[in-house]
Amino acid sequence: RKEVEQDPGPFNVPEGATVAFNCTYSNSASQSFFWYRQDCRKEPKLLMSVYSSGNEDGRFTAQLNRASQYISLLIRDSKLSDSATYLCVSGDDKIIFGKGTRLHILP
Amino acid sequence: GAGVSQSPSNKVTEKGKDVELRCDPISGHTALYWYRQRLGQGLEFLIYFQGNSAPDKSGLPSDRFSAERTGESVSTLTIQRTQQEDSAVYLCASRQTSGGPLEQFFGPGTRLTVL
Repeated sequence: RKEVEQDPGPFNVPEGATVAFNCTYSNSASQSFFWYRQDCRKEPKLLMSVYSSGNEDGRFTAQLNRASQYISLLIRDSKLSDSATYLCVSGDDKIIFGKGTRLHILP
Repeated sequence: GAGVSQSPSNKVTEKGKDVELRCDPISGHTALYWYRQRLGQGLEFLIYFQGNSAPDKSGLPSDRFSAERTGESVSTLTIQRTQQEDSAVYLCASRQTSGGPLEQFFGPGTRLTVL
């Protein structure tokens, strides 16, 4: 089992729709989880941290399910500018990235 | 404030040559990471430095790859006898490990092309 697995997509979603991604991780001892966003030919940038209690930042909601070892990202009222690759990240010292989920928001 | 910087931004080299890539982390960040990202692919972990501890080299793909870090500052990634499959963007990231946000901050990367 890969350390961090994501559906590569692409997800083609009309503007204004809600979209959700899941990501599974293999290291049950991991304490730190993040979602990063990467635009084409750019470096990854932090979108949000994922806390045990879940967290919300505007249109974005992240959840952690330790029992099933997955994290999720929900994007509401999607915008054209949300088009990017979303990277799931797990790890405390050695930090491992998933291969990313490509999202295309369609006008 | 100053972020993570990397140099050169682009490097074109001939197969068989050695290359050295540099990363300047954010001041005060004790942890430093190198990743490789091939075109259209995800980030591949290469190596991780944490303070004065022995680095985690588990991601280095072959003995042609090595990296060093001087204290908690600059790191260099060296690729010897480059091959065409080494062509990729090499990303460096740094982060704190206590007392603040724990997320990684990335440099802009070095785009390596091996002809």
